[in-house]
Amino acid sequence: QTVVTQEPSLTVSPGGTVTLTCASSTGAVTSGFYPNWFQQKPGQPPRALIYGVSNKHSWTPARFSGSLLGGKAALTLSGVQPEDESEYYCLLYDGRGWVFGGGTKLTVL
Amino acid sequence: EVQLVESGGGLVQPGGSLRISCAASGFTFSSYYMTWVRQAPGKGLEWVANIRPDANDKFYADSVKGRFTISRDNVENSLYLQVTSLRVEDTAVYYCARWGKDSSGWFLDYWGQGTVVTVSS
Repeated sequence: QTVVTQEPSLTVSPGGTVTLTCASSTGAVTSGFYPNWFQQKPGQPPRALIYGVSNKHSWTPARFSGSLLGGKAALTLSGVQPEDESEYYCLLYDGRGWVFGGGTKLTVL
Repeated sequence: EVQLVESGGGLVQPGGSLRISCAASGFTFSSYYMTWVRQAPGKGLEWVANIRPDANDKFYADSVKGRFTISRDNVENSLYLQVTSLRVEDTAVYYCARWGKDSSGWFLDYWGQGTVVTVSS
């Protein structure tokens, strides 16, 4: 059973930059894992942000970007806004099915 | 406008069954893979099952294989999840979502608001 690991929590100052990562227990994450990133606020469904490593949906703010970094999928927020305080989840395909990471709670402080 | 509206959740005793539904509108439902994702109270997201547009292939997480069945009605534009042999740990918000695909890969773009399934005696 693949385990996908994210930082449990991160804190960033308004206007700052932060990178969230997503690692697979099976090895280095590549484009073949079709990494997706989602933002979720309390009481709401997830909102899609990034897919295919670095592709944005039409509604994704420009300050969000995706990449591969050191064998992991990464989500970078540049010029963080107070409204970016949320839980962030990555999703990977492991060849048998899809696995979500445990989520990163991002605090903007 | 793409809309996904789940229904059918409720309180069920351990060992019981339920069928939850997702009504789709605003897109050609029969052309898309669909999925169920759940979220236990205070916990993270868990992928549950996928179904092909023609329903000929279905894929399940190990945690629900043999107990849950995903299905769809492309005439009624509806997605279903039959959940049986329910356990306390199946208590969660169940979301339906749409899969999209382009040259860069697969993505879950639209999500419903979710329906709550509570398993308790």
